[in-house]
Amino acid sequence: EVQLVESGGGWVQPGRSLRVSCSTSGFPFGDYAMSWVRQAPGKGLEWVGFIRSKAYGETAEYGASVKGRFTISRDDSKTIAYLQMNSLKIEDTAVYYCARDGGDGDYGTFDYWGQGTLVTVSP
Amino acid sequence: DIQMTQSPSSVSASLGDRVTITCRASHNIYKYLNWYQQKPGKAPKLLIFDASNLQSGVPPRFRGSGSGTDFTLTITSLQFEDFATYFCQQSYSTPPTFGQGTKVDI
Repeated sequence: EVQLVESGGGWVQPGRSLRVSCSTSGFPFGDYAMSWVRQAPGKGLEWVGFIRSKAYGETAEYGASVKGRFTISRDDSKTIAYLQMNSLKIEDTAVYYCARDGGDGDYGTFDYWGQGTLVTVSP
Repeated sequence: DIQMTQSPSSVSASLGDRVTITCRASHNIYKYLNWYQQKPGKAPKLLIFDASNLQSGVPPRFRGSGSGTDFTLTITSLQFEDFATYFCQQSYSTPPTFGQGTKVDI
């Protein structure tokens, strides 16, 4: 059974940093890209970014609102994806979901999701 | 970025009703359109990928159609568990972008 479990969310002050994790099981993690998608309270879905698999260079892409502040990484030996968030802003407050992305170079279809972790940025 | 526009924003329906949600892309996205269902406090769930392909385990009352810029999600006979919010999302180009959502309620 495919499982994704986020952890590490919580309250943080503006300007500070936070790292959230996505622990996975039930599929060949190293073969898949992994995405992060967020949802502000009562709002829609916003793609944050993704990281390609090692076979495709393990490079990452980011949405405009987080580029330069957020970094996605992965540890294939532990089957965990990470989202490092720096210089946090109040508008980064959201539930952060990790999602499994494409496994063959085609990206942008999220077939499995974690339960989400809430990040609250507030003074 | 490609803009995705859903309509309606909300729809009230009854059990057994046929419900149709539309999604329009600001550019040609060919077949690269996905539909997700989200219930309160839960993660989104993939229903349809590449415009018309049913994700494994999804009931066949969910049907997707369209290509280019105009797409449709149809629920042929609404069941109790279908009351939720539905999002379309284009996977044609980076960044992937979502519609604003359509809430289906009683």
